[in-house]
Amino acid sequence: QKEVEQDPGPLSVPEGAIVSLNCTYSNSAFQYFMWYRQYSRKGPELLMYTYSSGNKEDGRFTAQVDKSSKYISLFIRDSQPSDSATYLCAMSSYYNAGNNRKLIWGLGTSLAVNP
Amino acid sequence: GAVVSQHPSWVICKSGTSVKIECRSLDFQATTMFWYRQFPKQSLMLMATSNEGSKATYEQGVEKDKFLINHASLTLSTLTVTSAHPEDSSFYICSARDGTSRDTQYFGPGTRLTVL
Repeated sequence: QKEVEQDPGPLSVPEGAIVSLNCTYSNSAFQYFMWYRQYSRKGPELLMYTYSSGNKEDGRFTAQVDKSSKYISLFIRDSQPSDSATYLCAMSSYYNAGNNRKLIWGLGTSLAVNP
Repeated sequence: GAVVSQHPSWVICKSGTSVKIECRSLDFQATTMFWYRQFPKQSLMLMATSNEGSKATYEQGVEKDKFLINHASLTLSTLTVTSAHPEDSSFYICSARDGTSRDTQYFGPGTRLTVL
């Protein structure tokens, strides 16, 4: 079993829809959770960062972490064609050693928002 | 803030030559930088972690003699692909951690390497 599972999609929605993207994980030590957006042939861009459980909102984006279920979500409201990209979840454990603490990545979900 | 640049953005080289890719943090000091490679429609694969002034830590299966990493300053890390072969063709991306936000990494735009 992979440490982080993410459905690669593709996910296709009409413009204006609410998009729900999810990742599950198996390591209960993960405490830091991130969502990145990656456009084709570009480096990933940090969208949301959450520590431990709870919700975090930034504009049209909401990140949720449910540590009891080992499940994280990213919601996009009023989706736009410009949101079409690959969304990657990433997470890490506080207990990884020192500065070499690395992120564990999901495969990424490809999203297409159709006008 | 938190801008990372990479140079070059793309490179084509002949088999057997070496290619150097630079990664710079432009507006912050990066004590730790990471090098990834990414194949089409696949996720990021961490190659190595480099800390300023010390040897890089390579992931299992990554040849340290082939992928030379130097992190000479708090704003610059370089990846040199030595004796490149066509199977080394890939998208190479660096990221940097600013040391203030735990575990968030800021990525460069990537370098597309094509080895003929």
